[in-house]
Amino acid sequence: GENVEQHPSTLSVQEGDSAVIKCTYSDSASNYFPWYKQELGKRPQLIIDIRSNVGEKKDQRIAVTLNKTAKHFSLHITETQPEDSAVYFCAASSSNYQLIWGAGTKLIIKP
Amino acid sequence: GAVVSQHPSRVICKSGTSVKIECRSLDFQATTMFWYRQFPKQSLMLMATSNEGSKATYEQGVEKDKFLINHASLTLSTLTVTSAHPEDSSFYICSAHFPGGETQYFGPGTRLLVL
Repeated sequence: GENVEQHPSTLSVQEGDSAVIKCTYSDSASNYFPWYKQELGKRPQLIIDIRSNVGEKKDQRIAVTLNKTAKHFSLHITETQPEDSAVYFCAASSSNYQLIWGAGTKLIIKP
Repeated sequence: GAVVSQHPSRVICKSGTSVKIECRSLDFQATTMFWYRQFPKQSLMLMATSNEGSKATYEQGVEKDKFLINHASLTLSTLTVTSAHPEDSSFYICSAHFPGGETQYFGPGTRLLVL
């Protein structure tokens, strides 16, 4: 069935450095790729998304890139700050609006 | 905009009782809402897709008679966990599909503890 693989499961970076999280998807019909940030005990918050007709999107310190041919997309966070510490989930969606979720990446920002 | 509320935020109940969780889209109409369950340190697991005015679509392995879903209006979907047991203890989160696009916005979640 359709699935989304996410790596790494845990990522520890020094404050101020960049963090990159990668996902691959199996369904070639997927056309929407959101990234969510979830803090402990709270709801997932949409931080950035990209559609299949775009290769890259940036919003301040956050960027997402999409390679449709290889079926993978990545989240890039630059100049990381302590408040970036959270679990990040990638997801992929096709026409029925259901999201197929990655397993999550726990991002730890070391002071 | 795009605010989704969920009630209650936390509930503790005895085994065998039923618990109702409400999910509301406060500033938009959502023809489709989703119900998820999340265990500690795991990803979100889709339980069912709730469509206004029609029966919910359940994912494989989710018992429709145990997890009753009602989407009676464009702003409200409810999930009732019937005859709850300790293994049903989890974090239940709803999301609402924002019309005209693909984005889902999430409620704050309900932490259910069944004793």
